[in-house]
Amino acid sequence: ETGVTQSPTHLIKTRGQQVTLRCSSQSGHNTVSWYQQALGQGPQFIFQYYREEENGRGNFPPRFSGLQFPNYSSELNVNALELDDSALYLCASSSRTPGANEQFFGPGTRLTVL
Amino acid sequence: GQNIDQPTEMTATEGAIVQINCTYQTSGFNGLFWYQQHAGEAPTFLSYNVLDGLEEKGRFSSFLSRSKGYSYLLLKELQMKDSASYLCALTTDSWGKLQFGAGTQVVVTP
Repeated sequence: ETGVTQSPTHLIKTRGQQVTLRCSSQSGHNTVSWYQQALGQGPQFIFQYYREEENGRGNFPPRFSGLQFPNYSSELNVNALELDDSALYLCASSSRTPGANEQFFGPGTRLTVL
Repeated sequence: GQNIDQPTEMTATEGAIVQINCTYQTSGFNGLFWYQQHAGEAPTFLSYNVLDGLEEKGRFSSFLSRSKGYSYLLLKELQMKDSASYLCALTTDSWGKLQFGAGTQVVVTP
């Protein structure tokens, strides 16, 4: 069973640039959620995708957008980067079946905005 | 919305027991999770409670009281590798969107 993978591991961008982060869900999982984790804080929910549709969004502006593909992998896009976007971006996958509540997290992408 | 509170840091010695409390206020509730996160790594699942009571898993136990908006994670026979951040998280729907607390940094000393 392949776990959740994310790419790239680290990324450095400058203010105003755009970035795309990628996530491959665990085998058999059809739901992907994205989280932003600032240093010393808990992860904050950005949005969730299920069957290629956005299924819920946290308190993030529209410049945070995403996609899910037919193979359930996902992308997170952030436009017009700001310094405060510097964080660890985590992707989590899960299976939408009764009793399967656990989310499995990928290793994350560390984004630094200069 | 939700408000989730947990202590910032706790220190304990190897072999001891530590209890991490989590209190929450929420307009909906569909389960409470505990995750462990080592520095620079992804959170890993420890436990899930949806009904009141104690869930035991080896050295780790988690307790939930929905009426009190309270949970705790109990770590027994502490080992050095247990030094990590412990995250309390709520889900308010069946789709598993998690709302996390800020995390409790546990430091295990020899």
